[in-house]
Amino acid sequence: SQQGEEDPQALSIQEGENATMNCSYKTSINNLQWYRQNSGRGLVHLILIRSNEREKHSGRLRVTLDTSKKSSSLLITASRAADTASYFCATAPFDSGTYKYIFGTGTRLKVLA
Amino acid sequence: KAGVTQTPRYLIKTRGQQVTLSCSPISGHRSVSWYQQTPGQGLQFLFEYFSETQRNKGNFPGRFSGRQFSNSRSEMNVSTLELGDSALYLCASSLGGYNQPQHFGDGTRLSIL
Repeated sequence: SQQGEEDPQALSIQEGENATMNCSYKTSINNLQWYRQNSGRGLVHLILIRSNEREKHSGRLRVTLDTSKKSSSLLITASRAADTASYFCATAPFDSGTYKYIFGTGTRLKVLA
Repeated sequence: KAGVTQTPRYLIKTRGQQVTLSCSPISGHRSVSWYQQTPGQGLQFLFEYFSETQRNKGNFPGRFSGRQFSNSRSEMNVSTLELGDSALYLCASSLGGYNQPQHFGDGTRLSIL
């Protein structure tokens, strides 16, 4: 079963706008990671946030983590057409160590030029 | 540094056959994980190997097996193929320690006729 559920399932925005995606999960975690997947390709790691961290930035990406609500959000600022992809959150459930990642259902982002 | 290499990229098999997929991790990475991605079930964890030992296993039937060699390269085998095994099979490598990002290959697209 899926550990993470992304919301929304699909998102369409104009270039230059911000995009926000949310991820909810079910069990305690060691860390949460966000990945991007372009059509037909493998996943690209974007950012990892540990369970004791609340916010992390990387370039135009900002990730927050709320362990009390078991949720995380990914914000992409000033989006570009090249950001068009599917975005997944992945969690490492605490009781399985960090070697078994469970992926969410993904958000399909489309950035219109 | 070369990325994760998966071969072959595409494969067509018929029901009842078996298949072996190969994954070469990033140099220095000792952990290799395998995932199955389908439109209906999303990304599902198959298993993870570290230094030739399987550390974690997902909820897949025994027809799915894997191994890792001393050079960290990994193979995944599926026997008695079923139509439902049609999927994108992704391999990811990491250093293998806690809180390490995973680096994915572009996958092997397996189609069962």
